[in-house]
Amino acid sequence: DTGVSQDPRHKITKRGQNVTFRCDPISEHNRLYWYRQTLGQGPEFLTYFQNEAQLEKSRLLSDRFSAERPKGSFSTLEIQRTEQGDSAMYLCAQQLLGNGNTIYFGEGSWLTVV
Amino acid sequence: GQNIDQPTEMTATEGAIVQINCTYQTSGFNGLFWYQQHAGEAPTFLSYNVLDGLEEKGRFSSFLSRSKGYSYLLLKELQMKDSASYLCAAFLGGSYIPTFGRGTSLIVHP
Repeated sequence: DTGVSQDPRHKITKRGQNVTFRCDPISEHNRLYWYRQTLGQGPEFLTYFQNEAQLEKSRLLSDRFSAERPKGSFSTLEIQRTEQGDSAMYLCAQQLLGNGNTIYFGEGSWLTVV
Repeated sequence: GQNIDQPTEMTATEGAIVQINCTYQTSGFNGLFWYQQHAGEAPTFLSYNVLDGLEEKGRFSSFLSRSKGYSYLLLKELQMKDSASYLCAAFLGGSYIPTFGRGTSLIVHP
């Protein structure tokens, strides 16, 4: 248990619906990353925050995707108008500054779009 | 990840030693991670190397050569539970966003 919590752990939704995932990191003073992983692939970077500032977004993050981290605490990743290609595991990871560069992942949120 | 290369699959025998290699593009390198990932689960942190050399943690060791753009993960006294995917990830191009390889699926058989 890394202390990084994600919710929900599993989500099945119909195509076209919106979904939101939440990540609760260990502490506020850190970098928080979102990745997406599909079967047989490594995690692909989506976006990351330094405290509350969203510093970089991948080109994978289409305009249907949005992420927030209000007050530098928990973070949310929303996918609007879901498509079947969005089916994947969405991973949140935290880097604790001042602890080397160790990066810990949460348990992941599985999304299935039907 | 196109910038990180690792074998797709390896097999080994219980009790043996296995070495999983990873190569990466050296430009702007800032450190390399190894993660273990069991099927259906999230990656679990194993090691982080930023300096050259071997770091040992129990049955697992990780090696880094920055000049060669090369790392390996060494697993000793293999157990059946070590069957998993092993992900190599690195800070590349001066970025502090980890880029991941596709993972090496390790199958340990009796």
